[in-house]
Amino acid sequence: EAGVAQSPRYKIIEKRQSVAFWCNPISGHATLYWYQQILGQGPKLLIQFQNNGVVDDSQLPKDRFSAERLKGVDSTLKIQPAKLEDSAVYLCASSSTVALQETQYFGPGTRLLVL
Amino acid sequence: QKEVEQNSGPLSVPEGAIASLNCTYSDRGSQSFFWYRQYSGKSPELIMFIYSNGDKEDGRFTAQLNKASQYVSLLIRDSQPSDSATYLCAVGRAGGFKTIFGAGTRLFVKA
Repeated sequence: EAGVAQSPRYKIIEKRQSVAFWCNPISGHATLYWYQQILGQGPKLLIQFQNNGVVDDSQLPKDRFSAERLKGVDSTLKIQPAKLEDSAVYLCASSSTVALQETQYFGPGTRLLVL
Repeated sequence: QKEVEQNSGPLSVPEGAIASLNCTYSDRGSQSFFWYRQYSGKSPELIMFIYSNGDKEDGRFTAQLNKASQYVSLLIRDSQPSDSATYLCAVGRAGGFKTIFGAGTRLFVKA
């Protein structure tokens, strides 16, 4: 079974530029998560989708971040415009069921450096 | 008070010893408790989950949960150098909602 795929793996941009990340979850997984992990910290949930609906985006900085999950499969996360403090690893995860016993499987992440 | 707190470490133990990792949480509505391992430069991977008070064992790993004390721990028996990593505690509500990760504890197992 293929794992969670993410691209690109690395991205370097200048502040005020835009950037987009892509995630393809494990086949059949209904729930998709985007996390931001700053160096030395734990992952912070940005947004959670169930199928193509948003179930939690309370920590998403909506003035600059946006995310969508078309057709309940792939997802993109966009930052526009980027700030220096957005430098982090962006992790995508998916799980097979929204239930007490869900397990999240993480992709390799995208490392973003904002200069 | 942080929602999920872990000692950042580093925790250093000799090979073969028991490593004890601790986590406290603030949301009394939490029902799902997870331990993830994260090697440097890699993504988190699930080690164990626990939902009921008490102990849950899986090989060399034992998770312990005490909801009254809002405390969850992970014991690693017969620690190996390959166990050296950051261990993340994650706490969530029913349905996989509001999952919050701690900052992690770095573990070093000395050969």
